[in-house]
Amino acid sequence: EDQVTQSPEALRLQEGESSSLNCSYTVSGLRGLFWYRQDPGKGPEFLFTLYSAGEEKEKERLKATLTKKESFLHITAPKPEDSATYLCAVQAYGSARQLTFGSGTQLTVLP
Amino acid sequence: EPEVTQTPSHQVTQMGQEVILRCVPISNHLYFYWYRQILGQKVEFLVSFYNNEISEKSEIFDDQFSVERPDGSNFTLKIRSTKLEDSAMYFCASFSGTGSYEQYFGPGTRLTVT
Repeated sequence: EDQVTQSPEALRLQEGESSSLNCSYTVSGLRGLFWYRQDPGKGPEFLFTLYSAGEEKEKERLKATLTKKESFLHITAPKPEDSATYLCAVQAYGSARQLTFGSGTQLTVLP
Repeated sequence: EPEVTQTPSHQVTQMGQEVILRCVPISNHLYFYWYRQILGQKVEFLVSFYNNEISEKSEIFDDQFSVERPDGSNFTLKIRSTKLEDSAMYFCASFSGTGSYEQYFGPGTRLTVT
């Protein structure tokens, strides 16, 4: 069974204080690992897809990296508008491409 | 920019009633999904739909649930006899079927069963 574990559950940062979120996964065969942002009461918003170990993707203050067992979402010099829950999900080969999600990391960036 | 839309945004129903949640996926996408998120819990996969049939379903998706693509644009989730534990946010998602594998999610329907 595919599993995704995210840590920490919650993270409070001062504006400008860089940090990383962790996503550990076990999957039968990884087709892709996805990062989404979710604001309260809203649907997940796509951020990145990573396909193989060593891959990195960047978007503004966010950078996602992937190893064979985990992924990191690095947030550089965050702003209050980066406050959200960040979700990690995996997609396995041999599936109908459905996503298995972790519980998320709730990020709060204080001004 | 194309987006997935869902209606209604909030549905309140009594236990035992039937509800239909509606979604309009991105127009050229081929794969459609329903997920749910109980308050404070993970987003969970319910069902995937491709080529006018269910391609995979989870254990949650029992005989009380059904999906349909009644025309070229809508994708619906029906719950025949709602239970209190069906209260959740229901998200529709779609994927193009080509290129990268990301799914795009709608804003969700909050279902409250009383």
